[in-house]
Amino acid sequence: AQTVTQSQPEMSVQEAETVTLSCTYDTSESDYYLFWYKQPPSRQMILVIRQEAYKQQNATENRFSVNFQKAAKSFSLKISDSQLGDAAMYFCAYRSRGGGSNYKLTFGKGTLLTVNP
Amino acid sequence: KAGVTQTPRYLIKTRGQQVTLSCSPISGHRSVSWYQQTPGQGLQFLFEYFSETQRNKGNFPGRFSGRQFSNSRSEMNVSTLELGDSALYLCASSKDGRGTSNTEAFFGQGTRLTVV
Repeated sequence: AQTVTQSQPEMSVQEAETVTLSCTYDTSESDYYLFWYKQPPSRQMILVIRQEAYKQQNATENRFSVNFQKAAKSFSLKISDSQLGDAAMYFCAYRSRGGGSNYKLTFGKGTLLTVNP
Repeated sequence: KAGVTQTPRYLIKTRGQQVTLSCSPISGHRSVSWYQQTPGQGLQFLFEYFSETQRNKGNFPGRFSGRQFSNSRSEMNVSTLELGDSALYLCASSKDGRGTSNTEAFFGQGTRLTVV
């Protein structure tokens, strides 16, 4: 079974600064997807960024980028130019690409990000 | 287009009762998944339905069940409620789960269930 670990329960950043959230995972599979989701106080989970394991290039979405280290099974999220609206709980998630259990997301415990003005 | 809609948003039930939660996926999405979110256990996968068939199930007791209708709307049912079932129940829909472009899961705002 796959596991996802987020070792930082809470993080804080000053507005306009950069912050990196950590995520490690454990899997015996070679092909999978990794995601970062954001959950603001409204509780709705919003996809921030997606990475396909077979792609070596790190995914980027505007101010959000990832550092995907497949051999180390590490998938960190970097938020540049942090904004007050970035404050939320961030979840790292894993999804298999193959058959069987590939339709479920396995989540980490989350990192609560506070953005200070 | 309309997002994933979950009803009701809030629910208070008594131990021993049963409850049914509803999820309407994004139009055109045929896969619906359910997750339970609690402070202690985090987000845990309950089950996933595709074209009215349960494709995958998490490690929850048989009191948790679900179904999907021909219009892809899904319901989950919890019978004989226990205090520990108090949680936020999230529903997510996606196109069909296969292929890179169809992997994104869109979540609803959840149903907050409180068991007293």
